[in-house]
Amino acid sequence: AQSVTQLGSHVSVSEGALVLLRCNYSSSVPPYLFWYVQYPNQGLQLLLKYTTGATLVKGINGFEAEFKKSETSFHLTKPSAHMSDAAEYFCAVSGLEKLTFGTGTRLTIIP
Amino acid sequence: KAGVTQTPRYLIKTRGQQVTLSCSPISGHRSVSWYQQTPGQGLQFLFEYFSETQRNKGNFPGRFSGRQFSNSRSEMNVSTLELGDSALYLCASSLDRVIAGQYFGPGTRLTVT
Repeated sequence: AQSVTQLGSHVSVSEGALVLLRCNYSSSVPPYLFWYVQYPNQGLQLLLKYTTGATLVKGINGFEAEFKKSETSFHLTKPSAHMSDAAEYFCAVSGLEKLTFGTGTRLTIIP
Repeated sequence: KAGVTQTPRYLIKTRGQQVTLSCSPISGHRSVSWYQQTPGQGLQFLFEYFSETQRNKGNFPGRFSGRQFSNSRSEMNVSTLELGDSALYLCASSLDRVIAGQYFGPGTRLTVT
């Protein structure tokens, strides 16, 4: 079975500060990992994905994530937070033609 | 290229009724998945269809069913609605394999009274 754990259901950062959202996974096979963002009253938007190859993955809107097998982690970062980054973020792992999502992290940006 | 579209966007039904939700995937995408999102349970996988065949199914009762048409459009049906079925139902499409990345529609907000 595959699962992901997102540490911190709520994260607040100041505008311009580093954003770090944590995700740890559990998988019996090499994982395929994803980060999605959800704005209020909208569906999920794919930020980035890790399948194979380079462990540092760059996504949209300046986000990136690093796959660390030894730590079973796939944390999401952005060097400088913007007000428009306020949303809920979901980490997910793929297996058997479905995504298993974490419980989400709500990111608040402090002006 | 147009994104995933879902209709209707909002729906209010009464307990015991049934409902059908529709999803049109991105052009060329052959895999369509459905997820239920609630504040208490989060995002849960319902089922996935590929080329009109159900390829995977989540742990939901038989009241939840779906199908996919030859043009890859998909519908999901919920019969004998319960209050707990109130949720945001999200449809996602991908080219073929889910690992290629799924692209989500805006969802259908179902309220059961």
